[in-house]
Amino acid sequence: AQSVTQLDSQVPVFEEAPVELRCNYSSSVSVYLFWYVQYPNQGLQLLLKYLSGSTLVKGINGFEAEFNKSQTSFHLRKPSVHISDTAEYFCAVFMYSGGGADGLTFGKGTHLIIQP
Amino acid sequence: GAVVSQHPSWVICKSGTSVKIECRSLDFQATTMFWYRQFPKQSLMLMATSNEGSKATYEQGVEKDKFLINHASLTLSTLTVTSAHPEDSSFYICSAREAGLAGGTTGELFFGEGSRLTVL
Repeated sequence: AQSVTQLDSQVPVFEEAPVELRCNYSSSVSVYLFWYVQYPNQGLQLLLKYLSGSTLVKGINGFEAEFNKSQTSFHLRKPSVHISDTAEYFCAVFMYSGGGADGLTFGKGTHLIIQP
Repeated sequence: GAVVSQHPSWVICKSGTSVKIECRSLDFQATTMFWYRQFPKQSLMLMATSNEGSKATYEQGVEKDKFLINHASLTLSTLTVTSAHPEDSSFYICSAREAGLAGGTTGELFFGEGSRLTVL
C-alpha cells in the first residue's frame, strides 16, 4: 500500500525567506505526485504535479518541486515567500495501476506560517 | 482549467434534519467524483467514490445510510447527510476526475470549494 509522509506539521518562516516543505512517499510501483494548497475555509487548489519527464516541476505562485525517485521524495520549495502564502499544503500520491479509479493518497498536511 | 463547484458553501441545520450538498463539474464531464470529510487541522478523509450511473463505493467505517451519494449525471453528484447530528458537523469537500483522452487518467483531481456543515 502507498503512503505519504509530510514530516512537518507546521513550518514558520519569515517573509521573503526561502522555504522547503518535505514530502516522502512509499510505493512499489510508478506514481504521479501532486502538491495542493488549501486556504482557510476553501477547497484544494493544485500547485503543481509530476507525471513524467523532468524531475524539476514548476507550479503556480512561484513554487517548484523536485521528484527524487531514489529517495522517494517530492519536496516543495519557494525561494521567497509572501504573507499570502500562509496556508495548508498537502502532498498527494496517485498510484497508476492502469485501470483503477482510486482517489489520491494525501499526506497529513503542513501548515505554512509566514511571519512579517 | 477544469472547474468544480460546490453548493452550499455554508449550511447550518437543526439536529435530525437532512442536508444535501451538490457538487458540479462546470466545464467537463466527470465520470468519477469523490467525497471527503475534513476535520479541523487535519487532512482529507475519503468518504466515498461515486461513479456516474452506479452505486457509490464507501470507505471502511463510513455509514452509507447516513451519507447518501447520488451521481445521476456526468456533471452532478450529491451528498445527503441524513438525520444530521452535531458530530456530523465538518467541512465536506468533493472532487472530480476527468477521463483522459485514451480513457486513462493522470490521477489529477479538481476540487470544489468545500461546504461547511454545522449541526445545532
